[in-house]
This record gives sequence, structure tokens and C-alpha cells, in this order.
Amino acid sequence: EVVLTQSPATLSLSPGERATLSCRASESVRTYLAWYQQKPGQAPRLLIYDASSRATGVPDRFSGSGSGTDFTLTISSLEPEDFALYYCQQRSGWPPRLTFGGGTKVEFK
Amino acid sequence: QVQLVQSGAEVKKPGASVTISCTASGYTFSTFDIIWVRQATGQGLEWMGWMNPNSGNTGYAEKFQGRVTMTTATSMNTAYMQLNNLESEDTAVYFCARVWGGWYGDFWGQGTPVTVSS
Repeated sequence: EVVLTQSPATLSLSPGERATLSCRASESVRTYLAWYQQKPGQAPRLLIYDASSRATGVPDRFSGSGSGTDFTLTISSLEPEDFALYYCQQRSGWPPRLTFGGGTKVEFK
Repeated sequence: QVQLVQSGAEVKKPGASVTISCTASGYTFSTFDIIWVRQATGQGLEWMGWMNPNSGNTGYAEKFQGRVTMTTATSMNTAYMQLNNLESEDTAVYFCARVWGGWYGDFWGQGTPVTVSS
């Protein structure tokens, strides 16, 4: 099973600051990686797919990069609504096996 | 617009089974796989498995093999997830999601809380 490790667990920042979230895979997942945002009491929302493509309606302050085992989600300038939990997710093998990272909480400093 | 609507909250005793439904609208149900994901309170997301509404093929996470069954009623645009032999550790919110592209969840149900308690 591919294990995804997200860091840091918590990121304390202020609105307007840049957020950099990391997701590391235990083996190569090529670019089969997504990022989700989750707010309390809500379902996850797809932000980034295929490591670097923004999902429909996602603001361009969100960007993803990486391939293989190391991936990054960057929020260029935090808006108040961006303070939330973020998860990465990968798909590997056939039939597909999916795993999620443990999450990074972006909180107000 | 695409929507996935799940059945309501459940309270079960240890050893019982639970079945959650996920009814889709706004797209052709048979052309997209469905995944199930759960989240215990204060914990992360855990993938449980997937199913193809067209073929009926399924794939389950190893942790749930033998205890989970995913089915669909395509005439009703509905997917089902049954989890058997419930334990307190199964207390969680269960989500369904439509699979899109490289196996990502692009539309999600609202979540179904399941509480397992004696």
C-alpha cells in the first residue's frame, strides 16, 4: 500500500501569507495525486488533480506541483475562507487502490 | 447539476450491519465509478472501496475485505455500501463520491454519520 505523509500537521499563518503544504508518497505515484480541502461538517472538495491541474471553480491562488514521490500544494495568498484542512490522495495499481494522507490543518496565527 | 444525496444518520449495536445509500442526479449514473470514504471524528479520510455501476465490479481496501459490500441499483441511480459486524471503531461519517479522471472524487455526498454503541 502506498503511504502518503503530509507535513506539517498544522500550519499557523495569517491572511495574505503564503502557505506551502507537502505530501510525500512511499513510492512513486507518477502524477496520480489530488488535493482536497475540507471544512468542519462538510465533505471534501477537490482542489487539484493530476498533481497540478486546478479543478473547476478553484481560484488560481491554489497551485499544485510535483511528481513521483514529492508533491506540494501552494496557496499564494491566504484568504479567510482558506483556513481549513487539506488532504492529498493518490491512486495506484490496477484494480485501483486509493490512499489519503493524514492531513494538514491551516489555522489562523 | 451533479448531486449525490446520502441516506440519514444511523445508530447500530456492535455486531450489527449498516447499509448506506447514495443517490445520484445530474449525470449518467452508469458512466462513473463510485468510491466510499469514511472519517472518524477528528480523524483523517479513509478509503473503503470503489464500484463500477455499469459492470458491478468492485475493489475493496484490504482492511474491509470480507466485511463490506458495495452494490448499485442503476434503475434508481443509487449506490449502496453495506458494512457488517460493526464495532465501536466503525463510528464515523461515511461519504460516497463520484470518481472522475485519474480516480479522484469530484462530487461528494453530504456524509452519513454512523454511531456504533451498545
